[in-house]
Amino acid sequence: GESVGLHLPTLSVQEGDNSIINCAYSNSASDYFIWYKQESGKGPQFIIDIRSNMDKRQGQRVTVLLNKTVKHLSLQIAATQPGDSAVYFCAEIAFSGGYNKLIFGAGTRLAVHP
Amino acid sequence: GAGVSQTPSNKVTEKGKYVELRCDPISGHTALYWYRQSLGQGPEFLIYFQGTGAADDSGLPNDRFFAVRPEGSVSTLKIQRTERGDSAVYLCASSLFARTDTQYFGPGTRLTVL
Repeated sequence: GESVGLHLPTLSVQEGDNSIINCAYSNSASDYFIWYKQESGKGPQFIIDIRSNMDKRQGQRVTVLLNKTVKHLSLQIAATQPGDSAVYFCAEIAFSGGYNKLIFGAGTRLAVHP
Repeated sequence: GAGVSQTPSNKVTEKGKYVELRCDPISGHTALYWYRQSLGQGPEFLIYFQGTGAADDSGLPNDRFFAVRPEGSVSTLKIQRTERGDSAVYLCASSLFARTDTQYFGPGTRLTVL
């Protein structure tokens, strides 16, 4: 079946370093992807999105890269801060019936150490 | 506040009991979604509302689960004859239009079935 998954369940980084979180997807027909950040006890928070007609998109301290050839995307966080500690999910959009049905992966926990 | 709100934040019940979980979407959002998140996993789609009607309930696990949105705003997820396996965080999200890119999530309701 279709799935979105992550390579690394836990990532530990030092404050100030750059972080890279990876995600693989299996549905080559998917054309839209979102990264969410989820802190303990909170719901997922939108970070950044990318469409399949793009290879790269930048936000504030974050960059998402999409490689359609190998069906892989990554989230890069520059100058990682303690407040970045959370679980990060990539989500794949499966357009069906005219709405956005999010398919999430299992998530990667990012731990930022001072 | 301006975000999605959910009540209660925590619900503990006994096996076999009936529970209701409430979601207040962002004002003006026509689309509303329910997801279920088990520990260490990404959210899984349950049901989607467009206005008052359930446009897709394909994610509901069985007929013990039911959701309503009678006036097109607040939604209630109802679970009958709860089982221990129903224990999870139930997340609600809303978006302005059905094909809007961003779904905004509430903080979730943590349901524990003893």
